[in-house]
Amino acid sequence: DAKTTQPPSMDCAEGRAANLPCNHSTISGNEYVYWYRQIHSQGPQYIIHGLKNNETNEMASLIITEDRKSSTLILPHATLRDTAVYYCIVRLWGTNSNSGYALNFGKGTSLLVTP
Amino acid sequence: DVKVTQSSRYLVKRTGEKVFLECVQDMDHENMFWYRQDPGLGLRLIYFSYDVKMKEKGDIPEGYSVSREKKERFSLILESASTNQTSMYLCASQGQSSYEQYFGPGTRLTVT
Repeated sequence: DAKTTQPPSMDCAEGRAANLPCNHSTISGNEYVYWYRQIHSQGPQYIIHGLKNNETNEMASLIITEDRKSSTLILPHATLRDTAVYYCIVRLWGTNSNSGYALNFGKGTSLLVTP
Repeated sequence: DVKVTQSSRYLVKRTGEKVFLECVQDMDHENMFWYRQDPGLGLRLIYFSYDVKMKEKGDIPEGYSVSREKKERFSLILESASTNQTSMYLCASQGQSSYEQYFGPGTRLTVT
């Protein structure tokens, strides 16, 4: 699985858009970009994923650059409850011969949403 | 809603004790996972299972074993707990054709 690089921390004012970047310059053509988040004292939670096209769901939008070497997770109107660690993960769809469907979590970005 | 439950939120055990951490999922998922999470190290995969009675080692299996006798239940066993196994343990499950991995709330284990 390709390695990802994320800033260790970011701040965002409540009600504003939070834009979380992720660099994955070694991504291969059949690897997807997944985003999860982990609110303090809870298990990680899936947010969104994409391959090439931009994606949007009720939680967030995912913008992937044309060369697929980086992406941005956008929380359009951040709330205090969005304070969490956000993980960008790149992996193949389906099973990996070494780890099945397991996810390789890095250190993520700690997002603090302030009033 | 998919639910992954773990037997305890907090657990305190003594060095040398045998410890069982239980995980149950209610969505008939084939794949189940045990991770541990430590400050500065992120989540690390201990073991995973892709079917009943099937198990595979993850990145850090030493000192742990697992059991999957029923599809819905995946147990993590610490044969002889040590202080370096003090950690947050997270269980997860995922369907064979699903893109989403569902996590339990975690068990914070302290070994004294």
